[in-house]
Amino acid sequence: NAGVTQTPKFQVLKTGQSMTLQCAQDMNHNSMYWYRQDPGMGLRLIYYSASEGTTDKGEVPNGYNVSRLNKREFSLRLESAAPSQTSVYFCASSVGRYTEAFFGQGTRLTVV
Amino acid sequence: EDKVVQSPLSLVVHEGDTVTLNCSYEVTNFRSLLWYKQEKKAPTFLFMLTSSGIEKKSGRLSSILDKKELFSILNITATQTGDSAVYLCAATSGTYKYIFGTGTRLKVLA
Repeated sequence: NAGVTQTPKFQVLKTGQSMTLQCAQDMNHNSMYWYRQDPGMGLRLIYYSASEGTTDKGEVPNGYNVSRLNKREFSLRLESAAPSQTSVYFCASSVGRYTEAFFGQGTRLTVV
Repeated sequence: EDKVVQSPLSLVVHEGDTVTLNCSYEVTNFRSLLWYKQEKKAPTFLFMLTSSGIEKKSGRLSSILDKKELFSILNITATQTGDSAVYLCAATSGTYKYIFGTGTRLKVLA
């Protein structure tokens, strides 16, 4: 039972470098999400994909791009990393609106 | 602006105690309220509530939603050290966005 799988688990980047966080789910869910979690801020939505072929901005999209590659995979790209993007990133998926979302194990990203 | 507020921010109890965690929400077109437990890593799903006044129960954990007063509570009875975690609540609305509170950090002492 893999559920939602994220890679990598840890990453250190230098300011200005780029990277892509990968996420895949095997639950045949329609909707996928990227959140960041910072101390005292809770989980904040970066981007989401309601269904294959669609993506939309969340609460904090600046500095990020996403791709819904197929129904299973949803990637998050940082084009030019900044220290303010140091955070723990979670991918999640759900059957649709209003239903429970299931989370991946997270990626701890540090930008120096 | 949609928001979810949890209280208390943190709580320290002894094993065997009963705790009540609070979650209030102001969300346009509210649909459901979800509770998650977060230990070191990913939030894990506990409950989803959509109807007012109907208690959801799983072992020592239970939760209820009051749609008139716009809040939910999560009760944990006979707490154990394994219950130590951050408990998150989230509300869903007419969009695909889950609005999370900042969580309640529970520490259970042996």
